[in-house]
Amino acid sequence: QKEVEQNSGPLSVPEGAIASLNCTYSDRGSQSFFWYRQYSGKSPELIMFIYSNGDKEDGRFTAQLNKASQYVSLLIRDSQPSDSATYLCAVNGDNFNKFYFGSGTKLNVKP
Amino acid sequence: NAGVMQNPRHLVRRRGQEARLRCSPMKGHSHVYWYRQLPEEGLKFMVYLQKENIIDESGMPKERFSAEFPKEGPSILRIQQVVRGDSAAYFCASSPSIAGGLADEQFFGPGTRLTVL
Repeated sequence: QKEVEQNSGPLSVPEGAIASLNCTYSDRGSQSFFWYRQYSGKSPELIMFIYSNGDKEDGRFTAQLNKASQYVSLLIRDSQPSDSATYLCAVNGDNFNKFYFGSGTKLNVKP
Repeated sequence: NAGVMQNPRHLVRRRGQEARLRCSPMKGHSHVYWYRQLPEEGLKFMVYLQKENIIDESGMPKERFSAEFPKEGPSILRIQQVVRGDSAAYFCASSPSIAGGLADEQFFGPGTRLTVL
């Protein structure tokens, strides 16, 4: 059974702070990792993907991957109230285009 | 460049009726995926299709649910004899061709909210 675990939150951070979102996965064979943002009542929106160990930066977002620890994280710098949403971690499975999603972490950025 | 399109956006059915959900992938995308999301939960994989082929249907309930992606036209997720437990948001995603052993980004449509009375 493939599992992707996320803390459901809510994670509350003040505006301008760094928000750190974490995700662990059970399948050592997973090779592709994705972060999606989902506003309430809306569809998931792709933020970033990462394939290799280490950090990947895109604007205010940094994805971090540690395959040995089966851990992937998303850092959001200079958090804005508009970043308040649920963040979903997705990991590919045995059929490599089949994604397993975590249940998401709800982020609240307080002005 | 139009994104993934789904219709209807909202669908209300009575128990025992059929629900048909449609999905048109992004232009240039040949892979379609269907996911179900219950309130306050993550997305659950249902099925992965290419044109005229079901690649992986391991997430589909064994009965009442079927999916197709014909040569022409949108992908269809069909739920027969709906029950209240089928009430959920159903999202379709699409991706381009598989990139050398790594999973491609999947882009999601706006979803269909199914309510079973």
